[in-house]
Amino acid sequence: EVQLVQSGAEVKKPGESLKISCKASGYSFTNYWIGWVRQLPGKGLDWMGIIYPGDSDTRYSPSFQGQVTISVDKSTNAAYLQWSSLKASDTAIYYCARHSGSSSWRSPFGYWGQGALVTVSS
Amino acid sequence: EIVLTQSPGTLSLSPGERATLSCRANQTVSSNYLAWYQQKPGQAPRLLIYGASSRATGIPDRFSGSGSGTDFTLTISRLEPEDFAVYYCQQYGSSPPYTFGQGTRLEIK
Repeated sequence: EVQLVQSGAEVKKPGESLKISCKASGYSFTNYWIGWVRQLPGKGLDWMGIIYPGDSDTRYSPSFQGQVTISVDKSTNAAYLQWSSLKASDTAIYYCARHSGSSSWRSPFGYWGQGALVTVSS
Repeated sequence: EIVLTQSPGTLSLSPGERATLSCRANQTVSSNYLAWYQQKPGQAPRLLIYGASSRATGIPDRFSGSGSGTDFTLTISRLEPEDFAVYYCQQYGSSPPYTFGQGTRLEIK
């Protein structure tokens, strides 16, 4: 069974750094693109970027390029989303999601993590 | 970047009625690579439809998708109480970013 289990809720202050995780199991981690989706409070879904764990090829939305870093650790089957300096506007739920097709980004997000609430407040 | 516009923003219907949700792209969605997701409060989105018209595993047959090019539709033939949720379309036909529509809220009338 494919599972994506995300790290827990975080409360941070503006300017702090943060790295949240998404632990994958039940499939060959290196063979499927995995990505991150933001949901601002009460709003829709924003596609942030994806990474191919096999070679760490990463694609970002222009809206998030330079604002966040997506990475993986193949030894632990985990994907990460990190910020070097958080802003209050980063307050949102962040979902990790895996593409359905092996080795292909041209497939929908077939599996989703449970989401992680990040709150940035002074 | 492809922009997806969903309509209506909110749809008010009763259980048993038919729901028709629209998703329009500002340019052709390559290979009709268009997906629909359902999101209930406090839950992650769930894939319903991919390739514009193929149901994902375990999705009831009252959900159907249609369309091609720039115009796509999600139809729920007979609404069940558990179908009231927010629905998003997403294209994945061109190179990333794979944008989502802004969502349609399906509420009980």
